[in-house]
Amino acid sequence: SYELTQPPSVSVSPGQTASITCSGDKLGDKSTCWYQQKPGQSPVLVIYQDTKRPSGIPERFSGSNSGSTVTLTISGTQAMDEADYYCQAWDSSAVVFGGGTKLTVL
Amino acid sequence: QVQLQESGPGLLKPSQTLSLTCTVSGGSISSGVYYWSWIRQHPGKGLEWIGDIYYRGSTFYNPSLKTRVSISMDTSKSQFYLRLSSVTAADTAVYYCSKGAGSSGFDYWGQGTLVTVSS
Repeated sequence: SYELTQPPSVSVSPGQTASITCSGDKLGDKSTCWYQQKPGQSPVLVIYQDTKRPSGIPERFSGSNSGSTVTLTISGTQAMDEADYYCQAWDSSAVVFGGGTKLTVL
Repeated sequence: QVQLQESGPGLLKPSQTLSLTCTVSGGSISSGVYYWSWIRQHPGKGLEWIGDIYYRGSTFYNPSLKTRVSISMDTSKSQFYLRLSSVTAADTAVYYCSKGAGSSGFDYWGQGTLVTVSS
């Protein structure tokens, strides 16, 4: 079965840039999404189709897709961005989520 | 603004069948553009896709759950449903219903409902 691999944790200082990676076989050929989930809350879509931001998502959130790795970048990270982040892609008709990355803003 | 709300029993015994309902408001469940999904999250763990249903009735399931899962919908009630048979403690999780928009991802989610399987 298809797998997406994320680092378990990423730390960043306030105001700095956080990068969260997601890797999978030929992931560059697929469309990917990113979700933010804060404790006790439902996930929120922050990036879709690799690079697009839904309405209401701050511009500091951006996505890129290259080769077998996709990256979620948060520029000027704020304390409110501390959360779990999940990448997601499709393999044939199946939905696959990455294992999640806990972003800590120190 | 689309809203989704899960409902169903929060406690089940092993071997029982889990049945959840997702009620959709603020949008048409009959749109052929979207699909309606169930996703779960084990305590302290990541997201696991369970399956999707499209307006015309097509369904797609996680291969690891395919033998036990069924998703259906009732457009007249603006609801879709999850049935998961022969549950065990490993099915204890928060279950979310969500609206999918093709490659645009899951753009609306319910608040989630905790289902505990315990004897």
